[in-house]
Amino acid sequence: DADVTQTPRNRITKTGKRIMLECSQTKGHDRMYWYRQDPGLGLRLIYYSFDVKDINKGEISDGYSVSRQAQAKFSLSLESAIPNQTALYFCATSAVAQETQYFGPGTRLLVL
Amino acid sequence: AQSVSQHNHHVILSEAASLELGCNYSYGGTVNLFWYVQYPGQHLQLLLKYFSGDPLVKGIKGFEAEFIKSKFSFNLRKPSVQWSDTAEYFCAVEPSGSARQLTFGSGTQLTVLP
Repeated sequence: DADVTQTPRNRITKTGKRIMLECSQTKGHDRMYWYRQDPGLGLRLIYYSFDVKDINKGEISDGYSVSRQAQAKFSLSLESAIPNQTALYFCATSAVAQETQYFGPGTRLLVL
Repeated sequence: AQSVSQHNHHVILSEAASLELGCNYSYGGTVNLFWYVQYPGQHLQLLLKYFSGDPLVKGIKGFEAEFIKSKFSFNLRKPSVQWSDTAEYFCAVEPSGSARQLTFGSGTQLTVLP
């Protein structure tokens, strides 16, 4: 869905490096989410934000931080990347309660 | 906290075969239920969702799912699959109300042979 974009789409980095993944949306949704997808584990929630001033930890927030710079932008940072953070990362958005989440195209991250 | 189980990790079918993918969830309250599909190299797309009402939900591309509350199940079905249905399918659940956290199952890879 072109309404939710993620940059970069692919990234290779080294252990210990800081990396930021960015998500932008033009859907006008208040709620934004970051997930990681690992084979055999499905998607797991890292962080979510219900509005610009609201940040919440998800199931697997350790080693990650986020920033909600504006309603349309939600960034995920790995302060010191480690190999087990190699995964496919998805951003998603939703409107208020009882609404579907819309996913971005994903960022494939490889940490060496 | 809620959890979701998808018992079939990989399903292989021939075209025109019928499909049923299992999904069971664990949660003590009212839930919203979803099936998402991820085609090769693409992002997740919503197939169908259930919030309330008729427990038999029809989605896109001929898919349907039935919510059976007593069994905590939300199985996905399609009478006749096509090669283009090859994808990974994820069941997801979230508690109804203000705490909007989706929990995904581990996914089922469907391969349809031409």
